[in-house]
Amino acid sequence: DVKVTQSSRYLVKRTGEKVFLECVQDMDHENMFWYRQDPGLGLRLIYFSYDVKMKEKGDIPEGYSVSREKKERFSLILESASTNQTSMYLCASSLVNSGAPLTTDTQYFGPGTRLTVL
Amino acid sequence: LAKTTQPISMDSYEGQEVNITCSHNNIATNDYITWYQQFPSQGPRFIIQGYKTKVTNEVASLFIPADRKSSTLSLPRVSLSDTAVYYCLVGGLSNYQLIWGAGTKLIIKP
Repeated sequence: DVKVTQSSRYLVKRTGEKVFLECVQDMDHENMFWYRQDPGLGLRLIYFSYDVKMKEKGDIPEGYSVSREKKERFSLILESASTNQTSMYLCASSLVNSGAPLTTDTQYFGPGTRLTVL
Repeated sequence: LAKTTQPISMDSYEGQEVNITCSHNNIATNDYITWYQQFPSQGPRFIIQGYKTKVTNEVASLFIPADRKSSTLSLPRVSLSDTAVYYCLVGGLSNYQLIWGAGTKLIIKP
């Protein structure tokens, strides 16, 4: 079974703090993703990575950055947290099926981190 | 740019067949359609994926008409444990877009 773990289930931070959210997958997947999930908006892609040190912006990258130094680990960084970044953050991974960097393969999700910025 | 639209919520009863439709008028030629299920306090979980016509697996069927502008997830004989949020996802190799619907909250009643 694929396992995707996220460093915290719940996190409370103050405005202006630098926040790190960590995600680790144990199935040697090439693709990793960071989403935020808000009521009524579904999942919105922040960033994804198709290889170590490679990243692509998703739909809402503003205010976020990412780091992928090792294949199994993908970090989301909020450089200066703001209250509008209060949300559920979901990490996912998927296996590259055809050699293209972004595929339609099954995404495996972690349990999420509920971040509150005060 | 593709956009996916699905009903906000649906109710049904145990033993019934439930159909949830997703609209994606601007789907690209190479985009696939994928459905995920999400329970509270968990990440979404893959249910089924298709490109055209009909796909069936052990838990669901996916119907996609020829124009591919919509898709219907069919859950046969639902039980209380099928109460969850169901997401439609459109995306694929043609672009770097993964377009998620806002989710349909399905409530199954005894």
